Amino acid sequence: QVQLQESGPGLVKPSETLSLTCTVSGGSISNYYWSWIRQPPGKRLEWIGYIYYSGSTNYNPSLKSRVTISVDTSKNQFSLKLRSVTAADTAVYYCARVQGSFDAWGQGTLVTVSS
Amino acid sequence: EIVLTQSPGTLSLSPGERATLSCRASQSVGGSYLAWYQQKPGQAPRLLIHGASIRATGIPDRFSGSGSGTDFTLTISRLEPEDFAVYYCQQYGSSLWTFGQGTKVEIK
Repeated sequence: QVQLQESGPGLVKPSETLSLTCTVSGGSISNYYWSWIRQPPGKRLEWIGYIYYSGSTNYNPSLKSRVTISVDTSKNQFSLKLRSVTAADTAVYYCARVQGSFDAWGQGTLVTVSS
Repeated sequence: EIVLTQSPGTLSLSPGERATLSCRASQSVGGSYLAWYQQKPGQAPRLLIHGASIRATGIPDRFSGSGSGTDFTLTISRLEPEDFAVYYCQQYGSSLWTFGQGTKVEIK
């Protein structure tokens, strides 16, 4: 059974770059789409974007100018970079596998944007 | 952008009762690409239903999904204690995937 685990700093300063990595275990990252989703405190889930194992991407237009998702198949990992963060980017960030819907999720990691 | 509106915001029911949750889309969801997730406090969402009516692997048959176009429903036939949680719908029929705001099913 595939498992996903997010890792990265829990605190990021305003205007800096948020960087997270998702490690996939129990299965190969190949032949699937992978996604990042976030949930600000008390708010609904927001899809950030996805990447195919080959590297093609699709981003939420509201975040597209600040987001980069990349993949490293040799490490079975994919990553998120969100530039120029503000307090509004404070959220629990999830990585997930895409099979149409999101059929496997990481446990999530809280990232707080604060000085 | 397809906006998903869930109702009611909170559903207060007793174990053994039937729960009916609604998800309405601002425009038609292509291919009935509509999913339902369950989320408990401090946990990631769990996929229950995809393709509007297909139960995900390991999901009990008391959970069922229906609907098409702009109106979708999640039904829990008999609530078990572990079913009290927040439920989200999500559409993946357009290039911008979106979620509803959630329905909380609480113990009455």
